[in-house]
Amino acid sequence: AQKVTQAQTEISVVEKEDVTLDCVYETRDTTYYLFWYKQPPSGELVFLIRRNSFDEQNEISGRYSWNFQKSTSSFNFTITASQVVDSAVYFCALSEGLGGSEKLVFGKGTKLTVNP
Amino acid sequence: NAGVTQTPKFRILKIGQSMTLQCTQDMNHNYMYWYRQDPGMGLKLIYYSVGAGITDKGEVPNGYNVSRSTTEDFPLRLELAAPSQTSVYFCASSYLRDSYEQYFGPGTRLTVT
Repeated sequence: AQKVTQAQTEISVVEKEDVTLDCVYETRDTTYYLFWYKQPPSGELVFLIRRNSFDEQNEISGRYSWNFQKSTSSFNFTITASQVVDSAVYFCALSEGLGGSEKLVFGKGTKLTVNP
Repeated sequence: NAGVTQTPKFRILKIGQSMTLQCTQDMNHNYMYWYRQDPGMGLKLIYYSVGAGITDKGEVPNGYNVSRSTTEDFPLRLELAAPSQTSVYFCASSYLRDSYEQYFGPGTRLTVT
């Protein structure tokens, strides 16, 4: 069965610090997709990234970067030079199968607070 | 495009009452989903639909029903509301092939007392 573990319940940093959010997943499938979503205090969910299991290249998008390691079943998310606007709950999610996002399994989320 | 819209935004129900949460998307997405988010928890899938006329259960379907008569609409029905159904409900949609990103609605905060 699929499972996503975000062991960090809450993280608090000071602005401009780098912060890494951990995500560990379990799946029996060889084809799967990993996602990160952001939920700011306003409550909506915002898509950040999607990565398939065959693409282990790390990705960088501005201050955001993602480290995918199949050997450790991890898909960690790093924010460089954090800003107050990064304060949110971040969810890691997993979807199995060729159909992609038929069913997403979410972790419990990590609440990030960036203090000025 | 309005994206995914949900109504109402807030609702208080008494135990035993019924209601329908509305969800509409204008992106012509095939897939639609209903999730619930309990405090401090991730989202759990209630029901999903791969197209008009086709629905299937997710992880936590008990106490809910859905229908998908059109591509755009995916209402969620609560019958005999219980306090355990107090939650925030999110509707989402996605394409099958072009993108696997799910687009979420703003959520409906439901309290059952």
